[in-house]
Amino acid sequence: AQSVTQLGSHVSVSEGALVLLRCNYSSSVPPYLFWYVQYPNQGLQLLLKYTTGATLVKGINGFEAEFKKSETSFHLTKPSAHMSDAAEYFCAVSDRSGGYQKVTFGIGTKLQVIP
Amino acid sequence: DVKVTQSSRYLVKRTGEKVFLECVQDMDHENMFWYRQDPGLGLRLIYFSYDVKMKEKGDIPEGYSVSREKKERFSLILESASTNQTSMYLCASSLSWTINQPQHFGDGTRLSIL
Repeated sequence: AQSVTQLGSHVSVSEGALVLLRCNYSSSVPPYLFWYVQYPNQGLQLLLKYTTGATLVKGINGFEAEFKKSETSFHLTKPSAHMSDAAEYFCAVSDRSGGYQKVTFGIGTKLQVIP
Repeated sequence: DVKVTQSSRYLVKRTGEKVFLECVQDMDHENMFWYRQDPGLGLRLIYFSYDVKMKEKGDIPEGYSVSREKKERFSLILESASTNQTSMYLCASSLSWTINQPQHFGDGTRLSIL
């Protein structure tokens, strides 16, 4: 069974500082990995996805994530935090289960950006 | 862009009522999903559908049912609402069962059961 662990349910950074949100996964097969962002009172929006190929994936709003198979990690980074980045971020792994796509989400990390 | 529309942003109902949550997607996606989101628990899958009139149970189907009479519409039904079903409900769709397809979400319905 696949699972996703997001370390730190709350992360605070200063505006302009590096953002690092951690995600580790377990999967019995090579995974497809996603990061989603949820702004207050909205649904989830896709930030980026890893399928195959390049291990460094660039997403929207200046975010990127690196797939490290040896560490089973897919951490999300942004060089310089902006106030508008304050939101909740979810890591997800997609696998096949019973013939269907099975997506497992982490519990989320709330990012606070301090002026 | 894919648009997934949930009929209500906020809903207040009473214990024992039958509650309908509606979701419509406009991109001819094959798959549709219902999740509930609770603090500290992330997203949990209630039901999903891979075709019209087809449905499969997710991880927490108890107390819920679904209906998909048309490809673009997926309804979640709380047969007899209870207070422990107070939650944020999110509908999502995806193009196909290829596992690299992302899901597209609606803005959610915040449901309170009194």
